[in-house]
Amino acid sequence: GENVEQHPSTLSVQEGDSAVIKCTYSDSASNYFPWYKQELGKRPQLIIDIRSNVGEKKDQRIAVTLNKTAKHFSLHITETQPEDSAVYFCAAGGYQKVTFGTGTKLQVIP
Amino acid sequence: DSGVTQTPKHLITATGQRVTLRCSPRSGDLSVYWYQQSLDQGLQFLIQYYNGEERAKGNILERFSAQQFPDLHSELNLSSLELGDSALYFCASSVRGRGFDTSGYTFGSGTRLTVV
Repeated sequence: GENVEQHPSTLSVQEGDSAVIKCTYSDSASNYFPWYKQELGKRPQLIIDIRSNVGEKKDQRIAVTLNKTAKHFSLHITETQPEDSAVYFCAAGGYQKVTFGTGTKLQVIP
Repeated sequence: DSGVTQTPKHLITATGQRVTLRCSPRSGDLSVYWYQQSLDQGLQFLIQYYNGEERAKGNILERFSAQQFPDLHSELNLSSLELGDSALYFCASSVRGRGFDTSGYTFGSGTRLTVV
């Protein structure tokens, strides 16, 4: 089955700096790579996703890149703000289900 | 409101007991997924149902079972509960069996289960 590794497990950045979270996956058949943000005590929410026929996707301050050859993908958050503080999960999937990474706790220091 | 409804929001029960968690998917979604999230842990996939049939199984204990009904709501049954079963249980739904054709998974707000 799919195995998704996510790094780092915790990340602290100063407000205004950039944050990068990296994930690797094992199943070359995976073709969908979503990212979820989970605030404390709340449900995970989809923030951005990318499909295997696209190398990069941007949405305002967030962007995701995908390298299918190396089987890794990354989340980039620019100009971080305190409200970006949360746990971020990457995931990789195919037809049946998506497998989540272990999460990155991002803290943005004002 | 995500459109995925989970009840109850909180549940406190004793070891050895049995509980049922309920999930109503977003309107139009045929797939329901159940996840377990222990304190400060990731999302552990338990099981997926698509249009009433089991579609994929993850790390679900034999003491746990689930089903999806004709109206597409799903129930997760947890029996012989142990202290270690205390966790947040999330349900997610998606359109069709392919959770990736549209907007990914939509999660409910979760049921927080505390076993004492």
